[in-house]
Amino acid sequence: GENVEQHPSTLSVQEGDSAVIKCTYSDSASNYFPWYKQELGKRPQLIIDIRSNVGEKKDQRIAVTLNKTAKHFSLHITETQPEDSAVYFCAATRGGGSEKLVFGKGTKLTVNP
Amino acid sequence: GAGVSQTPSNKVTEKGKYVELRCDPISGHTALYWYRQSLGQGPEFLIYFQGTGAADDSGLPNDRFFAVRPEGSVSTLKIQRTERGDSAVYLCASSLPGASAQYFGPGTRLLVL
Repeated sequence: GENVEQHPSTLSVQEGDSAVIKCTYSDSASNYFPWYKQELGKRPQLIIDIRSNVGEKKDQRIAVTLNKTAKHFSLHITETQPEDSAVYFCAATRGGGSEKLVFGKGTKLTVNP
Repeated sequence: GAGVSQTPSNKVTEKGKYVELRCDPISGHTALYWYRQSLGQGPEFLIYFQGTGAADDSGLPNDRFFAVRPEGSVSTLKIQRTERGDSAVYLCASSLPGASAQYFGPGTRLLVL
């Protein structure tokens, strides 16, 4: 089955710096890769996603890149703000009847003012 | 519009008891998912419904876990003979027909004493 590895497990940056979180996946048939932000005690919130036919997608300060050949994808946050502090999860799915998501273990991002 | 809702928000029970957790998906979302999230981990898939039927129940850990969605909307996750290891946050998510993006509810925090 699919396995998703996520690095780093913790990341601390200064406000205004960029943050990058990386994930690798094992199933070459996976075709959809969402990123979720989860604040303490809250629900996972979908912040950006990408399909396997696209190499990069941007939404304001966040972007996701996908390298299908290497089977890895990354989340980039620019101009970080204290409110970006949260746990971020990557996930992957092959779709095709069951869109069940396989999640990474998460990255705790702290943005220091 | 209203997001995914789950009740109860917290449930404390004793080992061996039976519990039911409820999920109300976003209106019009035919796909419904249950996940379980342990402390410091990403959500783990349990079961997926497309309409009334369970299309993929490969994530249910054993036969103490069962879920239903009789009218294709609200779903109930049922856990029999609860064990301390069942303690976790149980998350529900839903998505539109043919769409991959999953939107999560706030979860039910289950504590088995």
